[in-house]
Amino acid sequence: QSALTQPASVSGSSGESITISCAESNSDVGSFHYVSWYQQHPGKAPKLMIYDVSDRPSGVSNRFSASKSGNTASLTISGLQTEDEADYYCSSYTSSSTLVFGTGTKVIVL
Amino acid sequence: QLQLVESGGGVVQPGGSLRLSCAAFGFPFNGFAMHWVRQTPGKGLEWVAIIWFDGGNKFYADSVKGRFTVSRDNSEKTLFLEMNSLRAEDTAVYYCARGYCSGGYCYTLDHWGQGTLVTVSS
Repeated sequence: QSALTQPASVSGSSGESITISCAESNSDVGSFHYVSWYQQHPGKAPKLMIYDVSDRPSGVSNRFSASKSGNTASLTISGLQTEDEADYYCSSYTSSSTLVFGTGTKVIVL
Repeated sequence: QLQLVESGGGVVQPGGSLRLSCAAFGFPFNGFAMHWVRQTPGKGLEWVAIIWFDGGNKFYADSVKGRFTVSRDNSEKTLFLEMNSLRAEDTAVYYCARGYCSGGYCYTLDHWGQGTLVTVSS
């Protein structure tokens, strides 16, 4: 049972900004410092978009940004584009030296 | 070019065993922790296991502990997942992924393979 809760879906029109939340609901999740975000298109492997809460790997568009406040992390996609339509997952290291993924959010571009 | 290529998936009966492999290319394999992650078709991601760069530490999800074993051969640049006592609920696409380390924690999965499908069915 995931300790990271995400909305099932978030939608927005092209050019708009959307935010996906990732709420920690289990104290077993570590200090929540090591939060990552992954993008997954249908039939494809996940792709790292954000790590260490707010850092972007090289090659990831700066339209993707992230932050954390208390027990909730957030991913914001600015200037929404059709290719952003995908599933997004947060993840966090846990105090048991394991990794937990969020429940996943489907982003729909209207 | 950095690449991870999984193999070994297939159909197996409940209670059976299967060994997955993940061949690594284009980076110093022995310098990175490696992970297995699975995804039931149409569902979310589930982390399975991690093995340290030297194989010295291994951690597992509760759902597979005692049934699955992760190992690696650094000389062959290959990661393995030995799966025993398989159940229907183990049916999933299994991905291997490289662990990027930050602050001593190697739980950022910065490169993923394409996945291999395991189906547990009679």
